[in-house]
Parts: sequence; C-alpha cells; structure tokens
Amino acid sequence: EIVLTQSPGTLSLSPGERATLSCRASQSVSSNFLAWYQQRPGQAPRLLIFGASSRATGIPDRFSGSGSGTDFTLTIRRLEPEDFAVYYCQQYGTSPFTFGPGTKVNIK
Amino acid sequence: QVQLVQSGAELKRPGASVSVSCKASGYIFNNHYVHWVRQAPGQRLEYMGGINPDGGRTANAQKFQGRVTMTSDTSSTTVYLELTSLISEDTAVYYCARSFFSAGVSFGFFDLWGQGTLVTVSS
Repeated sequence: EIVLTQSPGTLSLSPGERATLSCRASQSVSSNFLAWYQQRPGQAPRLLIFGASSRATGIPDRFSGSGSGTDFTLTIRRLEPEDFAVYYCQQYGTSPFTFGPGTKVNIK
Repeated sequence: QVQLVQSGAELKRPGASVSVSCKASGYIFNNHYVHWVRQAPGQRLEYMGGINPDGGRTANAQKFQGRVTMTSDTSSTTVYLELTSLISEDTAVYYCARSFFSAGVSFGFFDLWGQGTLVTVSS
C-alpha cells in the first residue's frame, strides 16, 4: 500500500501567517488523486482539496493545494483563528486508500 | 438537509461484534459509495472499506478481510458496518463518509462525513 508521510508534525504559527504543509507518498499517486482534510477537535474531517489542487465546495480561497507524483503541498495563505486544526492528506488513486499521520497547526 | 447520521456509542467486550449504522438523507442514495474510516485515540485516520449502495458491492482493506461486513438497505437509505472478533485495538471512532460523485463516477475521496461513533472494546 502507499504510505503517506506528512511534515512537519506540528506547526506553530500566528493568525495572519502563511502555513505550508507537506505530504510525501512512498510511490507515485495515480492521476494525482490526492485530497486534503481539516479536522477540528471532536469533529469529523472536512474535505478541503481534491485532485491535488481543486478546492471543495465552500472552501475559502486562502486554501490551495499543489504538487504531483509523490510530493504535495497544502498552503493556507493567511491563517484565520478557525484554521488551527489537524490536516490530513489522503491518496485515493490506489486501493487501499490511505491517509497521512496529520500535521497539527497550533496557535503560536 | 444533506447528511449522514450515525448510531450511538457502543461498549463491547473483547471477542464480541459491533454494528454501526449510517443513515443518509438529502441526496440520491444510490449515486454515492459509502465508506468507513476509523480513528483510534490520537491516531491517524484509517480506511476500512466501502460499499456501493446500488447493488451492495463492497471493497474492504485487506487488514479487515474476514472481520468486516458492510451492507446497505436502499429502502431506509442506511448503510451498516459490522466488525467481529473485537480486540482492544479496535477501540476507535468510526466514521461513515460519502464518495464524491461526478459525471457518473464515484471517486475515492469523501465530501460528506457522519458525526462518528465511538466504539470502546474493554473487559
């Protein structure tokens, strides 16, 4: 199965700063079928990005995704208070679908 | 309202089985695969498998082969997950999640999630 690693494990930033989150796959992700989710404490995950770079419905444009092959990035342009959460990447190009371990974005 | 509503928390003994339900509403049930993802305390999300509600075809992650059964009831627009031979490591929040559907294709990412069901396995 494809193993996803995310870095950093924790990111400490202030509101208004830019966040850059990395997701690396153990092998190429077919068709760049890579999604990003946000999970706040006690809540279910929420879809942010699919197809590596397409924003899901209702997601603010401060969230953007990029990358291809084995290296992908989620960028949050200017952090809002509600953006402090855990972010997971997921590949859905090869069965079984797999998730990364997550990056926690903390308030500095 | 487009939503997935799951059944309540469960406490089970090791070796027992658990069934979790996921009721869909507000969308065309047969168009979207429904998948199950679990999250042990402090751990990453773990994909378990999915079911096509239209016909009941399933695809399970190999780790859960033989222990997981997924079924669907189109009359009640409900999907079920049964996990047998429970061990303490099965303690987790179990989520159902809907596949994104577009142009006749159901993709393997999830645009709608249930609220989660905590399953605790303890003697």
